[in-house]
Amino acid sequence: AQKVTQAQTEISVVEKEDVTLDCVYETRDTTYYLFWYKQPPSGELVFLIRRNSFDEQNEISGRYSWNFQKSTSSFNFTITASQVVDSAVYFCALSEAGGYSTLTFGKGTMLLVSP
Amino acid sequence: NAGVMQNPRHLVRRRGQEARLRCSPMKGHSHVYWYRQLPEEGLKFMVYLQKENIIDESGMPKERFSAEFPKEGPSILRIQQVVRGDSAAYFCASSPRDRVGTGANVLTFGAGSRLTVL
Repeated sequence: AQKVTQAQTEISVVEKEDVTLDCVYETRDTTYYLFWYKQPPSGELVFLIRRNSFDEQNEISGRYSWNFQKSTSSFNFTITASQVVDSAVYFCALSEAGGYSTLTFGKGTMLLVSP
Repeated sequence: NAGVMQNPRHLVRRRGQEARLRCSPMKGHSHVYWYRQLPEEGLKFMVYLQKENIIDESGMPKERFSAEFPKEGPSILRIQQVVRGDSAAYFCASSPRDRVGTGANVLTFGAGSRLTVL
């Protein structure tokens, strides 16, 4: 069975601070995919990144960066110089190869960035 | 180029009534997924459909819930005889196709339908 744990329920930061959202996963598969989605107050889910289990290179996209550590089964997400518009719930998710792209989500981390 | 369209955005039902949630996938997408988000919980997979076929309904409650994706028209998630525990946000996602065996598809989500059962 697969599982995704986001231990941080809520994080509050002040604008311009850096913040890291943790994600730990469990799976028996050797091939799998990890995702991050953002859910702003408007409610829709916005895709941020997909990473496959064979690619452990860190990725940077503007102020966003992701650290994939297979050895610790973690896929952490860092926002540099946070902004108020980053306030949202962030979900980490996992899909296993051999399946139908169904996602197992963590419970999400609510990030509140205040001015 | 509209994304995944869900309606209604908000639905209020009394216990025992029926709820019908509709989802129109992105243009060109033929695969639809339904997820449920209970308060303060992550999204839980319910069902995966292709046109006229239910592919995986392992996350769907056995009673009162059904889903369809007809040849023409939107996908519909139907909840009969709703109870208070059905109050949740129901999200639909679509993808262009499933690369079977890869799990790699990026799902595009709608804004969700929020069901409140009184």
